[in-house]
Amino acid sequence: DSGVTQTPKHLITATGQRVTLRCSPRSGDLSVYWYQQSLDQGLQFLIQYYNGEERAKGNILERFSAQQFPDLHSELNLSSLELGDSALYFCASSVFREGGNYNEQFFGPGTRLTVL
Amino acid sequence: SQKIEQNSEALNIQEGKTATLTCNYTNYSPAYLQWYRQDPGRGPVFLLLIRENEKEKRKERLKVTFDTTLKQSLFHITASQPADSATYLCGMNYGGSQGNLIFGKGTKLSVKP
Repeated sequence: DSGVTQTPKHLITATGQRVTLRCSPRSGDLSVYWYQQSLDQGLQFLIQYYNGEERAKGNILERFSAQQFPDLHSELNLSSLELGDSALYFCASSVFREGGNYNEQFFGPGTRLTVL
Repeated sequence: SQKIEQNSEALNIQEGKTATLTCNYTNYSPAYLQWYRQDPGRGPVFLLLIRENEKEKRKERLKVTFDTTLKQSLFHITASQPADSATYLCGMNYGGSQGNLIFGKGTKLSVKP
């Protein structure tokens, strides 16, 4: 158990709909990352938040957005869903420090999104 | 943009042998590389991190090397066991950032008894 929790575990929805995925980081971790994993693309970085503020963006579509709340949990919002958005979505957290102290990321169990 | 290639999608070896997985990258040299293990339907689990100024890192039966001249990292599992069967992901820092990771597509290792 990594200490990172994600809900829901599975989500089935229709094209055009909007969903929210939730993540609670490990106790003490200020940084949260969101990744998308599909069979053809592998694990793709979407976005990072650090202590409530957006830190970095990766391959995140404009239809997707995220935020991190004062209690450090994070939500990833996916809207106008398309068939191609079906994937595993992972949240990870880490003790992120400036200046080169690189730290491992702890991944949650993921949310499997199926868009029909 | 940075590309990461892991040598093969699948690697089959016999129990007791050493598994060697390769991670090659293009463009910029990363400040660090990380290796993760992923079992089907589960999140990746961190294994080892190696920094650009380090040549080799070991942890129990695992060894990672980092060659910035070849733009390559090698990941070794010695005395492999069927329980080592999983997908192994190579990741490195994303562009100039320090925290975000870009991953290869992974190598699926199968260790046969």
